[in-house]
Amino acid sequence: EAGVAQSPRYKIIEKRQSVAFWCNPISGHATLYWYQQILGQGPKLLIQFQNNGVVDDSQLPKDRFSAERLKGVDSTLKIQPAKLEDSAVYLCASSLEGRQTDTQYFGPGTRLTVL
Amino acid sequence: QKEVEQNSGPLSVPEGAIASLNCTYSDRGSQSFFWYRQYSGKSPELIMFIYSNGDKEDGRFTAQLNKASQYVSLLIRDSQPSDSATYLCARARWTDKLIFGTGTRLQVFP
Repeated sequence: EAGVAQSPRYKIIEKRQSVAFWCNPISGHATLYWYQQILGQGPKLLIQFQNNGVVDDSQLPKDRFSAERLKGVDSTLKIQPAKLEDSAVYLCASSLEGRQTDTQYFGPGTRLTVL
Repeated sequence: QKEVEQNSGPLSVPEGAIASLNCTYSDRGSQSFFWYRQYSGKSPELIMFIYSNGDKEDGRFTAQLNKASQYVSLLIRDSQPSDSATYLCARARWTDKLIFGTGTRLQVFP
């Protein structure tokens, strides 16, 4: 079974530029999550999708971050414009149905450096 | 007060010893607790979850939960150098939204 795929793996941009990340969840998984993990910290949930609907985006900085999950499969996360403090690893995860005891499987992440 | 607190470590134990990783949480409404392992430069992977008071064992791993004391722990028996990683504690309340701690770095030396 293929895992969660993410691209790119690394991205370096200058502040005020825009960037987009892509995620393909495990086949058949209805729930998709985007996390931000700053160095030395645990992952922080940015947004959660159930199929193509948003379940939770309470910690998404909506003035600069946006995300979509068209057709309930792939998802993209965009930052525009980027700030220095956005430097982090962006992790995508998916789970079967989003139940509390469903395992969340993480992708390899995209490491973003904002200069 | 952080929602999920962990000692950042590093916790150093010799090979073959028991490693004890601890986590406290502030939200008494928390229902489920998760332990994830994260190797350096890699993504987190689930080790186990627990939602009832007491112990839950899975191979060399034992999770312990004490809701009255708001305390969760992970014991790793017969620690191996391959167990060297950061261990993340997370909690969930009514939904599957996970709140993670900052993680404890474990070092197992030969």
